[in-house]
Amino acid sequence: GQQLNQSPQSMFIQEGEDVSMNCTSSSIFNTWLWYKQEPGEGPVLLIALYKAGELTSNGRLTAQFGITRKDSFLNISASIPSDVGIYFCAGQLQGGSEKLVFGKGMKLTVNP
Amino acid sequence: ETGVTQTPRHLVMGMTNKKSLKCEQHLGHNAMYWYKQSAKKPLELMFVYNFKEQTENNSVPSRFSPECPNSSHLFLHLHTLQPEDSALYLCASSQDTREKLFFGSGTQLSVL
Repeated sequence: GQQLNQSPQSMFIQEGEDVSMNCTSSSIFNTWLWYKQEPGEGPVLLIALYKAGELTSNGRLTAQFGITRKDSFLNISASIPSDVGIYFCAGQLQGGSEKLVFGKGMKLTVNP
Repeated sequence: ETGVTQTPRHLVMGMTNKKSLKCEQHLGHNAMYWYKQSAKKPLELMFVYNFKEQTENNSVPSRFSPECPNSSHLFLHLHTLQPEDSALYLCASSQDTREKLFFGSGTQLSVL
């Protein structure tokens, strides 16, 4: 079935560092979404991307919809301790069912 | 606060118990979803309801029984669960089945 390969699976960084993560697939997507999940909570939408090449920022977060429509990346600049959590990518396949396909998530730890 | 409220937040039940999870959304959305989240696995879609009608059952065992009395409320009735059903159960809603999802905080379920 369609899968999203999300990497890395985890990262340990120092406060103030930048973080980059991405999702790739062999399939083409119409939509890319990035979610963050904190312990004991549900995923919260960070950024939504709808067009190939689209680059969108939300505060210190920047995400891009890959030109090939098969990948997306999320960058976090100047990390702070409250950035800790699990970051998920999700995509809606072109021409497929309307349901979202989720990556396995990237667990981020920020050391003060 | 995402506008999607789930109760209870935590539930411990025996394998012979019957319990129900409740979800309510205050966003005026037409689609509602149940997802299962287990450790180290991608989010698993269980059920989709669109305008109160079930549009997807992702091969979920019959011991999980969803109910959607209206577009704002969604239930998941649980009966004779197994220990491997222990997981975080997330409810989500969207304007329609093509739009981004908004998640509740989830019910952490433990089956003993």
